[in-house]
Amino acid sequence: EDQVTQSPEALRLQEGESSSLNCSYTVSGLRGLFWYRQDPGKGPEFLFTLYSAGEEKEKERLKATLTKKESFLHITAPKPEDSATYLCAVQAERGGADGLTFGKGTHLIIQP
Amino acid sequence: DTAVSQTPKYLVTQMGNDKSIKCEQNLGHDTMYWYKQDSKKFLKIMFSYNNKELIINETVPNRFSPKSPDKAHLNLHINSLELGDSAVYFCASSLGTSLIMFFGSGTQLSVL
Repeated sequence: EDQVTQSPEALRLQEGESSSLNCSYTVSGLRGLFWYRQDPGKGPEFLFTLYSAGEEKEKERLKATLTKKESFLHITAPKPEDSATYLCAVQAERGGADGLTFGKGTHLIIQP
Repeated sequence: DTAVSQTPKYLVTQMGNDKSIKCEQNLGHDTMYWYKQDSKKFLKIMFSYNNKELIINETVPNRFSPKSPDKAHLNLHINSLELGDSAVYFCASSLGTSLIMFFGSGTQLSVL
């Protein structure tokens, strides 16, 4: 069974204080690893897809990296508007329309 | 224009009732999904459906049934609602094998 574990569950940072969120996964052949952002009362919003170990992607203050066992979401000099729950998800190679297996998320709070 | 829209946003009902949640996407996607997010904010897939196959998560009770009148719609019908069905239900869609899912804003179901 595919599993995704995210840590920490919650993280409180000061504005400008950089940090990283972790996503550890076990999957029977990784087809893709996904990062989503979820704001209260809204659905998850797509951020990144990573397909192979060593791959990195960046978007504004966020950078996602991937190894064979985990992914990191690095947040550089965050701003209060970066506060949200960040979800990691994987899709196995068996593919089809299996959908994604999500972690429980990291609730990030950026204090001004 | 909203890409993936669900109605209603909130649904409060009595135990034992039958209810439906509607979902529509205007992205031209060919695969649609239903996810359940429980009180611990854990997102779990319930169904995925494209014009060829329906994949059902084996843990989903058969009181839940997806109905797709066409490629742009995937409605969720729930019979004999139980207290444990209270959760937020998200519809999502993707195109082919891209796996990049776009989510609706969710339907908060409360069973009393």
